[in-house]
Amino acid sequence: AQTVTQSQPEMSVQEAETVTLSCTYDTSESDYYLFWYKQPPSRQMILVIRQEAYKQQNATENRFSVNFQKAAKSFSLKISDSQLGDAAMYFCAYRSRGGADGLTFGKGTHLIIQP
Amino acid sequence: DTAVSQTPKYLVTQMGNDKSIKCEQNLGHDTMYWYKQDSKKFLKIMFSYNNKELIINETVPNRFSPKSPDKAHLNLHINSLELGDSAVYFCASSQELWRGKAEAFFGQGTRLTVV
Repeated sequence: AQTVTQSQPEMSVQEAETVTLSCTYDTSESDYYLFWYKQPPSRQMILVIRQEAYKQQNATENRFSVNFQKAAKSFSLKISDSQLGDAAMYFCAYRSRGGADGLTFGKGTHLIIQP
Repeated sequence: DTAVSQTPKYLVTQMGNDKSIKCEQNLGHDTMYWYKQDSKKFLKIMFSYNNKELIINETVPNRFSPKSPDKAHLNLHINSLELGDSAVYFCASSQELWRGKAEAFFGQGTRLTVV
């Protein structure tokens, strides 16, 4: 079974600064998907960014980028120019390529943005 | 238009009651899921379901039963509610992986409180 570990329960960053959230995972599979989801206080789960394991290029979405290290099984999220609206819980998630097992989530990192 | 909608958003009920949460998606996805988010924000899959197959998480008590009248709907019925069932329940859907994008789209969540 796959596991996803987020070792930072809480992170704090000054507005406009850059912050990196860590995620590691354990799997025996070679092809899979990784995601970062954001959950603001509204509780809606919002997709931030996706990475396909067979793609070596790191995914980017505007101010959000990932550092995907397949051999190290590491998938960190970098948020540049942090904004107050980025304050939320961030979840790292894994999905196998085969089957309908759904997403395996990490325990989340609570991101605080200091004005 | 809401992509994945679930009702109700809040549900307060007494121990021992039976309740249902409804979910509908208008994305044309083939696979739907139920996730449980506990008081520590940990998200765990309960069920995944597509037209052909229901995959049951063995750790889910059999008081929980998903019912899918058609591809666009996946309801969750809970019998004999217990205090420990209090949580936020999320419905989600995703495409078949061969179609490309593997991310799940989530409903707004149902906060269930058992008193």
